[in-house]
Amino acid sequence: DVKVTQSSRYLVKRTGEKVFLECVQDMDHENMFWYRQDPGLGLRLIYFSYDVKMKEKGDIPEGYSVSREKKERFSLILESASTNQTSMYLCASSLSVGTYEQYFGPGTRLTVT
Amino acid sequence: GEDVEQSLFLSVREGDSSVINCTYTDSSSTYLYWYKQEPGAGLQLLTYIFSNMDMKQDQRLTVLLNKKDKHLSLRIADTQTGDSAIYFCAEILGSNQFYFGTGTSLTVIP
Repeated sequence: DVKVTQSSRYLVKRTGEKVFLECVQDMDHENMFWYRQDPGLGLRLIYFSYDVKMKEKGDIPEGYSVSREKKERFSLILESASTNQTSMYLCASSLSVGTYEQYFGPGTRLTVT
Repeated sequence: GEDVEQSLFLSVREGDSSVINCTYTDSSSTYLYWYKQEPGAGLQLLTYIFSNMDMKQDQRLTVLLNKKDKHLSLRIADTQTGDSAIYFCAEILGSNQFYFGTGTSLTVIP
């Protein structure tokens, strides 16, 4: 069964802290994605990676960075968390062939106080 | 592909049909998708349609694609309370550029 896991379901951090969100997929997918989801705005792409050590900026990369050292793992880093980064963060993965559908993790609800 | 539009809310009575609409922007999208998100969960793929198709049916789900108007719809027949969720349409450009709509929150009234 296809699986994407995220390290935490809920996280509370203070302003200025460095935050790591981890995502792991077990499907040998080339592509991995980080989105944030906010009410009324849908999903907005932060970063994606199409291969190990490769990354591309999405629509809202400011304040975030990513790391992909292994194919199965894609990390999202908030260098200095701010209250406007309070959101639901969703990780996804996909193949580069076929029907390209994305498989999502359960999400991490991050609150920055 | 950046402005995929959906209505935010839809309410239907249990047993009725639900129709969720989506307008996408890029005629070169190869596939279009419908995802379902239940409360507190990630997105789950419901169905997809290849861009050269007009219609796809999968049990209670019917997807209609009007390429001329860039309009996609999802019809759920005999809607049940378990269908209450947020539904996202999405289009893809190339092999990894996904664009999601804002999501439609479907409420099924018993």
